[in-house]
Amino acid sequence: EAQVTQNPRYLITVTGKKLTVTCSQNMNHEYMSWYRQDPGLGLRQIYYSMNVEVTDKGDVPEGYKVSRKEKRNFPLILESPSPNQTSLYFCASSLNSVASPLHFGNGTRLTVT
Amino acid sequence: AQSVTQLGSHVSVSEGALVLLRCNYSSSVPPYLFWYVQYPNQGLQLLLKYTSAATLVKGINGFEAEFKKSETSFHLTKPSAHMSDAAEYFCAVSDRRNTGFQKLVFGTGTRFLVSP
Repeated sequence: EAQVTQNPRYLITVTGKKLTVTCSQNMNHEYMSWYRQDPGLGLRQIYYSMNVEVTDKGDVPEGYKVSRKEKRNFPLILESPSPNQTSLYFCASSLNSVASPLHFGNGTRLTVT
Repeated sequence: AQSVTQLGSHVSVSEGALVLLRCNYSSSVPPYLFWYVQYPNQGLQLLLKYTSAATLVKGINGFEAEFKKSETSFHLTKPSAHMSDAAEYFCAVSDRRNTGFQKLVFGTGTRFLVSP
């Protein structure tokens, strides 16, 4: 089954404790992206990757890192989480075409206390 | 920069009523447009998309949307709401001038409620 898999689904952590949210897709998509969803703000792009070893900042990259060492994986790293990073995070992938729809994972709800 | 505006952060209708969720875009060049639906505790799923063919686009679950260039709109409609349509709906835009580059800009979403 074609899918984007994120782990974990729920994560509670404390300020400053490094964490990684994993994302994997099995559709051989070139393009992958991370979004955060906050009430009243919709989805905002954090980082994206157009292919292996090619990543770039989205609209809200501060406090986040990513890497793309393999085509299927695109982990999101929070080196020193802060409470304002409490949010619902989505990973998505697509073919690298402007008309291609995104395929989303089921989300990771992160709480930073 | 491209942007989309979804009028109405919350829309509520009775079961069987017409569904109308509004989306307006701002762009000098007609963009690609998408509607996504998000059910509770799930990721977003594509409902339909407009690329450049017919202006009336049919999607899954009986939804459709019409691209109107003169109004810069791409409103989502369905003749009769079902309880199962209750979800959050997002309109998104992609600039067709970004050759080989995928960047969707999302609206702030509309929470759609259906009452019995």
